[in-house]
Amino acid sequence: AQSVTQLGSHVSVSEGALVLLRCNYSSSVPPYLFWYVQYPNQGLQLLLKYTSAATLVKGINGFEAEFKKSETSFHLTKPSAHMSDAAEYFCAVSWAGNNRLAFGKGNQVVVIP
Amino acid sequence: DTGVSQNPRHKITKRGQNVTFRCDPISEHNRLYWYRQTLGQGPEFLTYFQNEAQLEKSRLLSDRFSAERPKGSFSTLEIQRTEQGDSAMYLCASSLGQGPDTQYFGPGTRLTVL
Repeated sequence: AQSVTQLGSHVSVSEGALVLLRCNYSSSVPPYLFWYVQYPNQGLQLLLKYTSAATLVKGINGFEAEFKKSETSFHLTKPSAHMSDAAEYFCAVSWAGNNRLAFGKGNQVVVIP
Repeated sequence: DTGVSQNPRHKITKRGQNVTFRCDPISEHNRLYWYRQTLGQGPEFLTYFQNEAQLEKSRLLSDRFSAERPKGSFSTLEIQRTEQGDSAMYLCASSLGQGPDTQYFGPGTRLTVL
């Protein structure tokens, strides 16, 4: 079955430090990949997406992610964490011909001053 | 630019009651999706519409659940004879309907079944 894995439900990072959130998918067919962010009491907001163009994708708020087919990964990074980055982050995948999104369990990011 | 809206934002009901949620998508979007999110989990797909046609339903959508999008605009999700296990956040999303397009999410309706 096709699935999305995000390890470590809670991630603590110091303000100014690197943010790294890992996402792996299981599929023999290259998917479309997305990262969403969810702030308290708000809907999911798209950070960035990969749709078979450049493998390094830049998104909003200084985030970027790199698609690595050989590793079936789409890890999210930000060089320097800001207090406003505290939120829940979800990796999501869809496959050609299938419009549904399959989400990982999410990472709750806490930024320590 | 008005985003996806959902009403109500919160619903508390007693077990066995019926509830109905409404989703208003972004106006030019053809596709509309429903997801369910429980505590500590990512959203799970329930169903989606292309205009007024319901094209796919998840096995999570039991017979007690029904969704409609009568004129290809707003959608309703009804749960009959609610159970405590139905307690969750119900999310609606919409998209233009072209290729791997971005799904835009509403704020959700939080259902609590007592």
